[in-house]
Amino acid sequence: DQQVKQNSPSLSVQEGRISILNCDYTNSMFDYFLWYKKYPAEGPTFLISISSIKDKNEDGRFTVFLNKSAKHLSLHIVPSQPGDSAVYFCAATSGSQGNLIFGKGTKLSVKP
Amino acid sequence: EPEVTQTPSHQVTQMGQEVILRCVPISNHLYFYWYRQILGQKVEFLVSFYNNEISEKSEIFDDQFSVERPDGSNFTLKIRSTKLEDSAMYFCASSEDRANEQFFGPGTRLTVL
Repeated sequence: DQQVKQNSPSLSVQEGRISILNCDYTNSMFDYFLWYKKYPAEGPTFLISISSIKDKNEDGRFTVFLNKSAKHLSLHIVPSQPGDSAVYFCAATSGSQGNLIFGKGTKLSVKP
Repeated sequence: EPEVTQTPSHQVTQMGQEVILRCVPISNHLYFYWYRQILGQKVEFLVSFYNNEISEKSEIFDDQFSVERPDGSNFTLKIRSTKLEDSAMYFCASSEDRANEQFFGPGTRLTVL
């Protein structure tokens, strides 16, 4: 039962270019979405979030876009840097619950 | 910057033994969570805790699991009788509010032999 799907297990991007990570969800009750970044042997680090009442949220090099009709969100990183290389997890939750439902993650490699 | 801490970083135990994983959430946070990640799989929710009681739990969180906030700072996860399949990274998280971002600790790697 994959309520949150990240269909690309990996993505390779050149330094300085844009990285686009995608996420789809099936549960229409989700109203809050988050992106986390994870290095090996560390816990997930919160990056950016978006409420379902918005379609875009920007924080520095990171922008999250939400398309509710398509049940799709994406994370854009511009410009990409080698230090961005990590596994990126999409997560979702609803106001009636507190637990996060995670996708399987996308491993981003940014090459110098 | 305040952070969630977890101890130990790695716990090795024999099948059938009890383990207690410890977490110190961010001090002004009110909601506390445990998640786990089995190697190669996604992060899975176990339980959430608020106002000194469990607010939600997943089907993974069966009678072998329990959580406790024994004092004003620690938040613990106890597995009564560990099984091989309990081997995973266990992450503690906390948040100010249920709708807010959850901040994760570095995790405890549990290995059950």
